[in-house]
Amino acid sequence: QKEVEQNSGPLSVPEGAIASLNCTYSDRGSQSFFWYRQYSGKSPELIMSIYSNGDKEDGRFTAQLNKASQYVSLLIRDSQPSDSATYLCAVKGSNTGKLIFGQGTTLQVKP
Amino acid sequence: KAGVTQTPRYLIKTRGQQVTLSCSPISGHRSVSWYQQTPGQGLQFLFEYFSETQRNKGNFPGRFSGRQFSNSRSEMNVSTLELGDSALYLCASSLLAYTEAFFGQGTRLTVV
Repeated sequence: QKEVEQNSGPLSVPEGAIASLNCTYSDRGSQSFFWYRQYSGKSPELIMSIYSNGDKEDGRFTAQLNKASQYVSLLIRDSQPSDSATYLCAVKGSNTGKLIFGQGTTLQVKP
Repeated sequence: KAGVTQTPRYLIKTRGQQVTLSCSPISGHRSVSWYQQTPGQGLQFLFEYFSETQRNKGNFPGRFSGRQFSNSRSEMNVSTLELGDSALYLCASSLLAYTEAFFGQGTRLTVV
């Protein structure tokens, strides 16, 4: 079992729709959870961080964390073609700076 | 506030050579970690430094090494380069170990 798992996609949604990206992790001691966006040929860009159970909203993005189910998700509302990228779920354990990444989900937003 | 700076951006090296990559973290950040990204393996953790001490090391051969200086700048070194070392090498810095990590633009290494 991989430590962090994501559906590789591609996930295709029409412009203006909600995109839902999911991630599961195996280490129950994980403390910090992140979503990064990566455009082709570029480095990962942090878009959301979440540390406790529940929802966290930032503009069009909402991160959801359920530690009991070991599940993290990212919702992108009003998806735009510029949101087309690979979305990486990443997890940090307790008191460590080591990020463990999923394989990433490719999102395609069609005009 | 300046972001994470990695130098050089691009490198072409020959098999058997060695290479040193540099990373300057965001001012005030003391945690620096390094990652290798390849199409087949995704993002793989190399090592993590905090206040000049290596706190974690990934599953890479001993040819990969690193260090962190008192000003939090970090370097990684790869000796005896192999073709399979061709990758994007990314550095990330965090204020504290468990907090958000911000990435530099990366160094793209090509080994020929």
